Amino acid sequence: NAGVTQTPKFQVLKTGQSMTLQCAQDMNHEYMSWYRQDPGMGLRLIHYSVGAGITDQGEVPNGYNVSRSTTEDFPLRLLSAAPSQTSVYFCASSTQVFNNSPLHFGNGTRLTVT
Amino acid sequence: DQQVKQNSPSLSVQEGRISILNCDYTNSMFDYFLWYKKYPAEGPTFLISISSIKDKNEDGRFTVFLNKSAKHLSLHIVPSQPGDSAVYFCAATVYGSGNTGKLIFGQGTTLQVKP
Repeated sequence: NAGVTQTPKFQVLKTGQSMTLQCAQDMNHEYMSWYRQDPGMGLRLIHYSVGAGITDQGEVPNGYNVSRSTTEDFPLRLLSAAPSQTSVYFCASSTQVFNNSPLHFGNGTRLTVT
Repeated sequence: DQQVKQNSPSLSVQEGRISILNCDYTNSMFDYFLWYKKYPAEGPTFLISISSIKDKNEDGRFTVFLNKSAKHLSLHIVPSQPGDSAVYFCAATVYGSGNTGKLIFGQGTTLQVKP
């Protein structure tokens, strides 16, 4: 039972480069989301999706794009990386966020932008 | 604008004693409150939750208390064990239109339980 799988685990980018953080879940969850964790800031919601084809912005969406073409996958795209995007990124999924279903998190991607 | 706040960055307690982690919130529309626990190099894991219509929920050594008038909740761990040493995040659910919703987290409190 893989749960939520994030790749890569670590990534170093130069300013201006683009990349995609991958997230896949095998629990048939409708709800998926991306968070970033920064010291003193906790976990902040970037984007979320309540099903294939439906996405919405969270608290800190600027600089990130998402799409949801399948139930299983929810990639996060950085179009032009900036040092302020240095962070640990977590993908999470659940059956329904509005029904008190707990989120299942991946183990994170640590991104450094130089 | 931090809607969920954990004002204590860290807490240290002795093994066997009670740990009390606090959380304040500003949005009276929050419907559920949850606590997550996070070990280094791992993702957060769900610990316990409480509905906004209740004031207490208990699960083994973990109890969450909710005071809606004060917009405050707390997590009690009794007795504390060294394996409880982790970062604890308070979170709250807010619903949007069309059956959407999102989970808003606090900054986290690092708990250290000393043997």
